[in-house]
Amino acid sequence: DTAVSQTPKYLVTQMGNDKSIKCEQNLGHDTMYWYKQDSKKFLKIMFSYNNKELIINETVPNRFSPKSPDKAHLNLHINSLELGDSAVYFCASSQQHRVTDTQYFGPGTRLTVL
Amino acid sequence: DQQVKQNSPSLSVQEGRISILNCDYTNSMFDYFLWYKKYPAEGPTFLISISSIKDKNEDGRFTVFLNKSAKHLSLHIVPSQPGDSAVYFCAASDKYGNKLVFGAGTILRVKS
Repeated sequence: DTAVSQTPKYLVTQMGNDKSIKCEQNLGHDTMYWYKQDSKKFLKIMFSYNNKELIINETVPNRFSPKSPDKAHLNLHINSLELGDSAVYFCASSQQHRVTDTQYFGPGTRLTVL
Repeated sequence: DQQVKQNSPSLSVQEGRISILNCDYTNSMFDYFLWYKKYPAEGPTFLISISSIKDKNEDGRFTVFLNKSAKHLSLHIVPSQPGDSAVYFCAASDKYGNKLVFGAGTILRVKS
């Protein structure tokens, strides 16, 4: 009964490929997020969606495109993968788009680009 | 630019003693602060938060202290337990509440 789930857990791919990471939450939340944890261990916000509407779009290469088919899902598509994209990607959700609303994180997807 | 800094990459504490994790921030617009805990192969989980109108917030064994003038906060865990061994992330947000800015985390090891 996982609250926020991500698939796949591990993803190993070659440079130049296109890949997707899926995220689903069963908490009934309105807001979902994508974070990237790089080699320096910082968790950085990439995108946030509220009711399927894009709210936060940080300085992220446009090779990264989030897609929210409904409130419970926020997928991340990455085109033309580069070595520097190797990281752990976390999905999260919260009731509303307020930092006072607890964010619930998925287990992460470790992406390795060779 | 690292707006939230956790200068101690790791901390080792004996079971039953106090663990003190520190966090410094540079952005004076930050007014809401949180601590998250992360076990290996899991996502971070919310632990405790504090608003800038307070200087202390307590939840069971966990207390967060905020020193606004020093732009410093700390998390105290008393008594420490082996199950507290995890990575602890400090995070902050400004009054617009738009996004969280995280530190790099501190690995806490509680030895039994």
